[in-house]
Amino acid sequence: DAGITQSPRHKVTETGTPVTLRCHQTENHRYMYWYRQDPGHGLRLIHYSYGVKDTDKGEVSDGYSVSRSKTEDFLLTLESATSSQTSVYFCAISAGTGVTDTQYFGPGTRLTVL
Amino acid sequence: GQNIDQPTEMTATEGAIVQINCTYQTSGFNGLFWYQQHAGEAPTFLSYNVLDGLEEKGRFSSFLSRSKGYSYLLLKELQMKDSASYLCAVQTGGGNKLTFGTGTQLKVEL
Repeated sequence: DAGITQSPRHKVTETGTPVTLRCHQTENHRYMYWYRQDPGHGLRLIHYSYGVKDTDKGEVSDGYSVSRSKTEDFLLTLESATSSQTSVYFCAISAGTGVTDTQYFGPGTRLTVL
Repeated sequence: GQNIDQPTEMTATEGAIVQINCTYQTSGFNGLFWYQQHAGEAPTFLSYNVLDGLEEKGRFSSFLSRSKGYSYLLLKELQMKDSASYLCAVQTGGGNKLTFGTGTQLKVEL
């Protein structure tokens, strides 16, 4: 157990509404990541953070923003949700102590945009 | 760009050995990771390779050839609980970002 929680675990929302997903870690790891997982595409990186207030874009960042105001929390926001953002969202963390660094995943959030 | 290929599906028999291959073409390379993912659950870490060769962890082994852009995951003494998706991922660049293949769905039969 890497001490990662995600909330909510399930959410159904309507097109055009804002949505915020939360990732919380208890082990003070430096790096945090947001992925989405869709059939036929595998896991794709949305955004990641390498410290408080330090974030960068991943492969599929359009339509998403992130914030990290505390080490333990990494928020993913869909400003105006679209049906194409229906997916399972996973948060991951890594210690950031070396060139090669294992990522550990949270339990996921299943988001449905109607 | 990044490209990672692995077979979509494989079937094997309980007690047997199965090898899941992964080939990659990426800009940069820090390491290659294997994860297991059961349906409806999060990926869980299995193994990683940085240098060429074989890494063994119990019933699971992973091999890497950096010059060939090739890795495989070997599962021995297959059990029904090994039925899952196996994800190959390459770690690159600053931020230790992972690029994943689409996963290999393994079905273990009696």
